[in-house]
Amino acid sequence: QLMQSGAEVKNPGASVLLSCKASGYSFTSYGISWVRQAPGQGPEWMGWISALNGNTRSAQKFQGRLTFTTDTSTTTAYMEMRSLTSDDTAVYYCAIDRVVGVDNAFDIWGQGTLVTV
Amino acid sequence: DIQMTQSPSSLSASVGDRVTLTCRASQSVSTYLNWYHQTSGKAPKLLIFGASTLQSDVPSRFSGSGSGSDFTLTISGLHPEDFGAYFCQQTFISPYTFGGGTKVEI
Repeated sequence: QLMQSGAEVKNPGASVLLSCKASGYSFTSYGISWVRQAPGQGPEWMGWISALNGNTRSAQKFQGRLTFTTDTSTTTAYMEMRSLTSDDTAVYYCAIDRVVGVDNAFDIWGQGTLVTV
Repeated sequence: DIQMTQSPSSLSASVGDRVTLTCRASQSVSTYLNWYHQTSGKAPKLLIFGASTLQSDVPSRFSGSGSGSDFTLTISGLHPEDFGAYFCQQTFISPYTFGGGTKVEI
């Protein structure tokens, strides 16, 4: 399972660091994707980190504002987002990005963290 | 970015109804298409990946089809727990975009 950190309230211009604690599987076997969902909207994929080697990908719209990291000793993934605006108010999810054959999908999700800016 | 468009945006149905939801991609995504179900206040749950492969523990009343740009999710007999929002997602090209969702209401 994935257990996320608690709700955050931030002022515009601030940064936020979210955590996602993994348990019950081999942490380095799968990557972690981060997805956010604004109120009443569909989910939005933000980026991905390999728990094996730390390689990352992120959506172009967030370039320069996101940093993904992992700590294999604590099996925890982190996402830092900088220069927050009110448009960043959303529930933020981490999810296991599992590859099955040639397909990949997010089959285990955290409970979500509400970030209010 | 690939745009994913779902239709209808909402529908009303009854327990036992057969329901078909549609997802269209702005360009071909082959069969790199996933479907998720979300109920209020909870994280999305994976139903189908690879356009037609049922995730383990998902009831067989759910089925997916399609390839290229056009996909469907069919629920052959709605159960009470099936109400909520359904989202499609392409994983053909990063960023892995989601559709805006179809809300299935009683």
